[in-house]
Amino acid sequence: DVKVTQSSRYLVKRTGEKVFLECVQDMDHENMFWYRQDPGLGLRLIYFSYDVKMKEKGDIPEGYSVSREKKERFSLILESASTNQTSMYLCASRRRFTGELFFGEGSRLTVL
Amino acid sequence: DAKTTQPPSMDCAEGRAANLPCNHSTISGNEYVYWYRQIHSQGPQYIIHGLKNNETNEMASLIITEDRKSSTLILPHATLRDTAVYYCIVRVVSNQGGKLIFGQGTELSVKP
Repeated sequence: DVKVTQSSRYLVKRTGEKVFLECVQDMDHENMFWYRQDPGLGLRLIYFSYDVKMKEKGDIPEGYSVSREKKERFSLILESASTNQTSMYLCASRRRFTGELFFGEGSRLTVL
Repeated sequence: DAKTTQPPSMDCAEGRAANLPCNHSTISGNEYVYWYRQIHSQGPQYIIHGLKNNETNEMASLIITEDRKSSTLILPHATLRDTAVYYCIVRVVSNQGGKLIFGQGTELSVKP
């Protein structure tokens, strides 16, 4: 079965802390994505990566960076967490040609 | 980017067919229609996708109108476990790869 694994299901961090959210997929997909989901705003794309060491900004990249050193792993980094980054973060990878996205279970981050 | 319009909520009786509509009147010729659902506190799950022909899999059927300006997702025998938010999205292709833009979705409540 297809699997996208996010490292932490729940995190609580303090304002100003550096936060790493890790995502691993086992399907050899080239494209990977980070979204955040907030009530009333739906899913919003933060960054995506179409291959190793490649990245492209999504709709709301401010305050975030990403790293894709290996094909299976896509990391989202909050350099200095702020309270407005409290959210559910969802990682996804995409099957080539047919384009389906496979999502992880999500990481719920609370910044105090 | 082609946008989609869905009703915010729908109810369906258990065992009956659930028909979820989606309007995508600005869709272009090479854009696919994808459907996902999200059960509470989980990541979205891929259901089905299509270009112009109707499609069916073990989860659902997708009916796309001839002019491709709208589509309907059909869950033939809805169960309580089908209660979820259903997203209709259109694939946008830009640069390499492409990104899927999620709208607000339809919250389907299946009632006993």
